[in-house]
Amino acid sequence: DQQVKQNSPSLSVQEGRISILNCDYTNSMFDYFLWYKKYPAEGPTFLISISSIKDKNEDGRFTVFLNKSAKHLSLHIVPSQPGDSAVYFCAASGRHQGGSEKLVFGKGTKLTVNP
Amino acid sequence: EPEVTQTPSHQVTQMGQEVILRCVPISNHLYFYWYRQILGQKVEFLVSFYNNEISEKSEIFDDQFSVERPDGSNFTLKIRSTKLEDSAMYFCASRGDGNLKNIQYFGAGTRLSVL
Repeated sequence: DQQVKQNSPSLSVQEGRISILNCDYTNSMFDYFLWYKKYPAEGPTFLISISSIKDKNEDGRFTVFLNKSAKHLSLHIVPSQPGDSAVYFCAASGRHQGGSEKLVFGKGTKLTVNP
Repeated sequence: EPEVTQTPSHQVTQMGQEVILRCVPISNHLYFYWYRQILGQKVEFLVSFYNNEISEKSEIFDDQFSVERPDGSNFTLKIRSTKLEDSAMYFCASRGDGNLKNIQYFGAGTRLSVL
């Protein structure tokens, strides 16, 4: 059951260039999307999010774009820095009965930023 | 900055033994979650907890699992009789209400190894 898909297991970019991480989803009930960053031996760290009523959200070097008709979102990191090297998870949530709003995660994309 | 704290960081147990994984959520948060990640796989939802009761649970969360908020600060996950396939990273998460209500904050995780 792959409701959230990250089709690229890894991505390698040069320092200073743009990193683009992609995510697709299948469940139309999702109304909130989040990106988490994870270093080895640590838990997922919240990075940026977007509500389904928006198509773009920006926070410093990080921008998330949402294309609802294509059920696609992307995370742009500009400029990329070596410290950005980590696994990036896309996650989605939707209003469930009882308001649980559990997160459904993609498999993650390992980003490597080369100096 | 407030954070979710999990103990222990690594738990080794024999198959059939009971384990309790502990979490201290962020203090003013109201919603609590457990997720797990088996090596090489996705982060999967286990259970959500609100107002002293389970609000949603996944198929994984069978009768061997239970959660409890024994006091005003701790949130625990108990596995009554561990199986080899319970070996995974277990993450606790919490979220608040208001403007940031959709964002779940994760602990660093407990690595459970069942031998």
